[in-house]
Amino acid sequence: DVVMTQSPLSLPVTLGQPASISCRSSQSLAHGDGNTYLNWFQQRPGQSPRRLIYQVSNRDSGVPDRFSGSGSGTDFTLKISRMEAEDVGIYYCMQGTHWPYTFGQGTKLEIK
Amino acid sequence: QVQLQESGPGLVKPSETLSLTCAVSGASVSNYAWGWIRQPPGKGLDWVGYKSYSGKTNYNPSLKSRLNISLDTPKNHFSLELSSVTAADTAVYYCGRDHRGSIDFWGQGVLVTVSS
Repeated sequence: DVVMTQSPLSLPVTLGQPASISCRSSQSLAHGDGNTYLNWFQQRPGQSPRRLIYQVSNRDSGVPDRFSGSGSGTDFTLKISRMEAEDVGIYYCMQGTHWPYTFGQGTKLEIK
Repeated sequence: QVQLQESGPGLVKPSETLSLTCAVSGASVSNYAWGWIRQPPGKGLDWVGYKSYSGKTNYNPSLKSRLNISLDTPKNHFSLELSSVTAADTAVYYCGRDHRGSIDFWGQGVLVTVSS
């Protein structure tokens, strides 16, 4: 299975400040069809996960533009340009290139 | 808007079969693939498996011998059956729509506890 490693696992951020989460995969996530199936999900306390980003950098409808995704191959990043209170939760990366699809361990984002 | 809703028993005895259903609205199970993800209490997310109407099926190898996912097009829902459960299968089970290596719509999740 492809191992997804996130860092940090805990991230306290001051409101209004930027945040960055790293996700590394044990194999390249570049698919033979030319796409890279790396996703980011947000799970707020007591809620089901919500997709924020798909195929590395495409934001889902309704996701604020302060969220952005980047990367390639085995190295990916989720950035939040300015932390807001509603961003508190656990963030997971997930690869959908190799079966079984796998998630990172999760990064807990909280207010400092 | 696509909506999914899981249903099923919240308590299953060890060695028995866990059965869940996911009702879909706003989309047809005849399109896309439909899958299950689980989250043990206080832990991260694990893919269980998915199935499409076209016949493509992928089960997590760790569960494959115990797992069956089926689609019911007239009722527009899909189901999960996991046999011979143990306490390790205790988790919140989410259903979702699988599209191009991702889950774009999720259900709210249902907690299933395996205990005698």
